[in-house]
Amino acid sequence: QLQLHESGPGLVKPSETLSLTCTVSNASISSTSYYWGWVRQPPGKGLEWIGSVSYRGDSYYTPSLKSRLTISVDTSKNQFSLNLRSVTAADTAVYYCARHDLSNYIPTVFDSWGQGALVTVSS
Amino acid sequence: DFVLTQSPDSLAVSLGERASINCKSSQSILYSSDNKNYLAWYQQKPGQPPKLLIYWASARESGVPDRFSGSGSGTDFTLTISSLQAEDVAVYHCQQYYTTPWTFGQGTKVEIK
Repeated sequence: QLQLHESGPGLVKPSETLSLTCTVSNASISSTSYYWGWVRQPPGKGLEWIGSVSYRGDSYYTPSLKSRLTISVDTSKNQFSLNLRSVTAADTAVYYCARHDLSNYIPTVFDSWGQGALVTVSS
Repeated sequence: DFVLTQSPDSLAVSLGERASINCKSSQSILYSSDNKNYLAWYQQKPGQPPKLLIYWASARESGVPDRFSGSGSGTDFTLTISSLQAEDVAVYHCQQYYTTPWTFGQGTKVEIK
């Protein structure tokens, strides 16, 4: 059964870079049938899609974060990563990695999710 | 961006009774070339990640109980739980995947009355 697991620092200082890695188990990240995405949820709030990437590195980013965001893939480690630069308190959230299903080569729904990682931005 | 507005924000339903959640999109998410509505529903229990329930507005994900159903087209959609069970207490989110940025509704909390 597919498993996704987020890892990274739980506390990041303002203006620094938030870095998270998602390790995919029991499935190959090199599958042509999926993209791999990040979704976040501020405490007590709704879900926000951040970005999604294919195993080749093709990516979709949400416009509001695009200037600060990089999502990359390491197929040798079966991992993908999120880097969000110049963070503020507004970036405090639970960050989920998820598998992004495809229909006609376009990402659609998130059919498997990691347990989530709380990242707090504070000095 | 396509804005999804869910209603109500929360509801309390007696065990065994019907629960209905609405999701309204600011623009149509019905794709004319395939006649599909690009809308999904997720269930998120406390302390857990979201779980996919419904896709293409009305297709049930494998393993999802048949008391969960989705309906609607264009801009107006409904998730219905036909007979609420204790394990259905959760926040339910709709998501459009018609166009980027993919967006979610604000969530609806379902509780037992």
